[in-house]
Amino acid sequence: AQSVTQLGSHVSVSEGALVLLRCNYSSSVPPYLFWYVQYPNQGLQLLLKYTSAATLVKGINGFEAEFKKSETSFHLTKPSAHMSDAAEYFCAVTQRGAGSYQLTFGKGTKLSVIP
Amino acid sequence: EAQVTQNPRYLITVTGKKLTVTCSQNMNHEYMSWYRQDPGLGLRQIYYSMNVEVTDKGDVPEGYKVSRKEKRNFPLILESPSPNQTSLYFCASSYALAGYNEQFFGPGTRLTVL
Repeated sequence: AQSVTQLGSHVSVSEGALVLLRCNYSSSVPPYLFWYVQYPNQGLQLLLKYTSAATLVKGINGFEAEFKKSETSFHLTKPSAHMSDAAEYFCAVTQRGAGSYQLTFGKGTKLSVIP
Repeated sequence: EAQVTQNPRYLITVTGKKLTVTCSQNMNHEYMSWYRQDPGLGLRQIYYSMNVEVTDKGDVPEGYKVSRKEKRNFPLILESPSPNQTSLYFCASSYALAGYNEQFFGPGTRLTVL
């Protein structure tokens, strides 16, 4: 069975500071990994995904994430936070293989950006 | 515009009164899914569908029904809603070729059961 753990339900950073949101996965086989963002009163939007083409994945809005198999991690980073980054972020995983489309989500991390 | 639509966006109802939340996508996606989002629990899958007339349970299917009679539509049915089904519901869709395909989410339906 696959699972995702996001460390920290709330993270606060100052505007211009580094954003680091942590995600660790548990999976019997190397998974596909995703980061989704949810802005207030909106649905989820894909930030980036890892499908094994490259371990460092770049996404939208300046975010990137690095897949580290030895640490079973897929942490999300952004060098400089902007006020518009305030949102809830979800890490998610699916299993490789035919018919494996179920997204298993972490519990989410709410990011606050302090002016 | 490619999108997933849900209706209604907000619904307040009473225990036991049957309701349906509609979901429609215009991207010709085979795979559709329903999730519920609760504070501190993230999103949990209720039901999913691989294609027309093919549906299966997710992690939290109790108290819900679905149907997939057309490729574009995937309604969620609560035949006898209870207060513990008060939640934020999301419909999602994707191409079903592989698990790495992005899922596109609707705007959500906030349901309150009194």
